[in-house]
Formats: sequence, C-alpha cells, structure tokens
Amino acid sequence: GAVVSQHPSRVICKSGTSVKIECRSLDFQATTMFWYRQFPKQSLMLMATSNEGSKATYEQGVEKDKFLINHASLTLSTLTVTSAHPEDSSFYICSARLPPGYEQYFGPGTRLTVT
Amino acid sequence: AQSVTQLDSHVSVSEGTPVLLRCNYSSSYSPSLFWYVQHPNKGLQLLLKYTSAATLVKGINGFEAEFKKSETSFHLTKPSAHMSDAAEYFCVVREGGADGLTFGKGTHLIIQP
Repeated sequence: GAVVSQHPSRVICKSGTSVKIECRSLDFQATTMFWYRQFPKQSLMLMATSNEGSKATYEQGVEKDKFLINHASLTLSTLTVTSAHPEDSSFYICSARLPPGYEQYFGPGTRLTVT
Repeated sequence: AQSVTQLDSHVSVSEGTPVLLRCNYSSSYSPSLFWYVQHPNKGLQLLLKYTSAATLVKGINGFEAEFKKSETSFHLTKPSAHMSDAAEYFCVVREGGADGLTFGKGTHLIIQP
C-alpha cells in the first residue's frame, strides 16, 4: 500500500512553454501533498505544500506564479511549470502524507529538461 | 528550527563489510527522524524511522539506526554491505507535529566488489 505515482517520468520541453506534472496517490487519500525539487547530486528542497481544496503554501524563494500547484482531489495534485527556462531543468519529486502519523510517501520523480 | 548534517558526502566500503552513515540533527522539539534511500533517477524509499518509541530502529534490507539524544545523532548502519546497497542516502528530520521535512545533503554510498 501507500503508492504514489508521477506522470510523466521524463519530459523535454522548449523554453517558454509550460509543462504539467501529475502526482497521484494510488491507494489512499492524501489531504496534503508536497512538491520537492532536486538538482543533480544535491538534496531535496521543499517547494510547496499542497492541501486539497485550498491554495498551496510556497516556501520562501519559490515563485508561485511560475510553479502553479493545484490539488483538486484527494488523490491528485499537479505542478505546472509556466514559461519554462533552462534553469528550471531539474528532478521534481512529489510526496503524499498518509494520515495518521504524518508519514510521507514519495513518488518516483519527474525529470524535466528545458531546451 | 530543525537541521540535519550528514557528516560524509561519500562513503566507500567493500562488499561484505559493515556500513556506517553518520547523521547529526538539531531540533527545538521532539523530532521524528528518517532515513531514505534513492537509487539513480528514482524516487525515495523509506528505510526506517524513529518516532519516540524504541531508540534502536530496524528497517528494511538489514539496515538499522540508533537515536542518541545526548549526541543528537541518528547514524545508519548495516552489518554487511551488498552491491545493491550502492545509492544515495538521506537523513531527514521532522519537528514535532509539523508537516515539513528537512533533508540532509545526502551520502553517496559506494560498494567496492
């Protein structure tokens, strides 16, 4: 149990376009999902916390207009990178919190490359 | 505020020998501590967690960690390394009932044949 999926696993897009990444909790309902960003050979940095039915909470330094997060249902959160630039190229990982106990389960990640 | 320090960016051991990955933390409140493993281009898998129960925590794949409050440490160990253990390992702290996780910078474990 407690499986989190992400789609797509890899995406290449042109500079200036937008790309959407989906995060789904497959076998549980997640009131809270999280989005992380990981640069090569570095740790994960929390970008935002996504609560179902309400606005996401962004970490300091993360542009909310650039990284649009929508958590429309208890099993789906989406991250849209708008007007992507090469510096947005990164590994994006989502996680979903399994109540109770606050444990987070992580998705397999999405590799975004902006050309 | 919470923070995590992984003392070694790289650790190299021979197959069949013990593994020690070091982690120190700081937290203002009763922390929960986790170790996650990440294989190349994969997501994170939970190895084990400490949540104020037994201080010696056993996880998957033969890993275990000991919570030492006096030393603010949560080192990860395994008696005998296997080639499949080669990966990136992250020590993670969660403060009290907070949602946010703070990740260490990671330790790259290399297994020599």
